[in-house]
Amino acid sequence: EDQVTQSPEALRLQEGESSSLNCSYTVSGLRGLFWYRQDPGKGPEFLFTLYSAGEEKEKERLKATLTKKESFLHITAPKPEDSATYLCAVQVNYKLSFGAGTTVTVRA
Amino acid sequence: GAVVSQHPSWVICKSGTSVKIECRSLDFQATTMFWYRQFPKQSLMLMATSNEGSKATYEQGVEKDKFLINHASLTLSTLTVTSAHPEDSSFYICSATGTGNTEAFFGQGTRLTVV
Repeated sequence: EDQVTQSPEALRLQEGESSSLNCSYTVSGLRGLFWYRQDPGKGPEFLFTLYSAGEEKEKERLKATLTKKESFLHITAPKPEDSATYLCAVQVNYKLSFGAGTTVTVRA
Repeated sequence: GAVVSQHPSWVICKSGTSVKIECRSLDFQATTMFWYRQFPKQSLMLMATSNEGSKATYEQGVEKDKFLINHASLTLSTLTVTSAHPEDSSFYICSATGTGNTEAFFGQGTRLTVV
């Protein structure tokens, strides 16, 4: 069975304090790994898709990397507006399986 | 990115009534739409997958007679929660993908409360 595990569950950061979120996965036939941001009471907002080990993508203060077993979302010098739940999902065939998410809180 | 609009954003209904939620792709043709359910502080659980013009495929444990899904056009899918009960109260989210796209874009979600 496909499994996606995110850690930590919650992360409290001081503004400017860089950190990384982990997404480990066990799937067969990975088509892609996705990162989303979700604000309370809203639908997920697409951030990145990674397709192969070694691939990296960046957007503002966020950088996502992928290995054969896990992905990291690095947050560099976070700001309070980066506070959200970050979801990782793996795509097998045409379906997405989501991890439970990491809730990030950035204090000013 | 592509825009997916979900309506309503919240709804309160009485136990035993039915509620319809709409999901529209505004700037692309959605060949496949997905419906998820999310409980507080939990992740998204896929309920069903629908392709335009064909019957939805439901995940194990999801009652197809209770959660009716229609995908009649390339821009619209609906989820009807029939004979709703308090345990159906949840956050329902749709997503859509277009031809040749791997990214799924999500609607804003619908908070359903059954009283």
